[in-house]
Amino acid sequence: KAGVTQTPRYLIKTRGQQVTLSCSPISGHRSVSWYQQTPGQGLQFLFEYFSETQRNKGNFPGRFSGRQFSNSRSEMNVSTLELGDSALYLCASSLSYSSYNEQFFGPGTRLTVL
Amino acid sequence: GESVGLHLPTLSVQEGDNSIINCAYSNSASDYFIWYKQESGKGPQFIIDIRSNMDKRQGQRVTVLLNKTVKHLSLQIAATQPGDSAVYFCAENNYGQNFVFGPGTRLSVLP
Repeated sequence: KAGVTQTPRYLIKTRGQQVTLSCSPISGHRSVSWYQQTPGQGLQFLFEYFSETQRNKGNFPGRFSGRQFSNSRSEMNVSTLELGDSALYLCASSLSYSSYNEQFFGPGTRLTVL
Repeated sequence: GESVGLHLPTLSVQEGDNSIINCAYSNSASDYFIWYKQESGKGPQFIIDIRSNMDKRQGQRVTVLLNKTVKHLSLQIAATQPGDSAVYFCAENNYGQNFVFGPGTRLSVLP
């Protein structure tokens, strides 16, 4: 069974640009969560999608957005990039949105903003 | 590899010894907890979980202890091996809300 895949693995952008990251969950998983990981702030929750609907949202500005497609694949978008957006962006999938479901993480997309 | 945390607390243990990694969680209403292991260049990997109606759970070479009175979680790794070197995170969840992760602890296994 294939794991969670994220593309691209590495990305370099400049301030003011926008970026779209993609996540393909494990087959059969319907919930996708996104996290930002930085050395200073650790792992912080961005948002969670289930059946194409955003269920939960973390404390991030509106520049961060996401969506989920009917096949459960998810994308997140960051507009007007800032230097502080440089981070590892992790996607995690689970069968459903219940808190008792294990989350499986992808390898992440390393975003560098110059 | 990618730097998960430049200034994480570090636990150094001798190969073959037991390791104990601690975590203080924030929400007394949290009812589900997970320990994750993250190796350099990889996403977090599930190790073991525990629900709030339990105070101990054992897996293969790992044990998680939950003390709800002081909001404390610990991960015990028996006979620590070089492959256990990684950053370990605890995560808490409150009735289906999003997971909240602790800052992490870097485990370094000495030969």
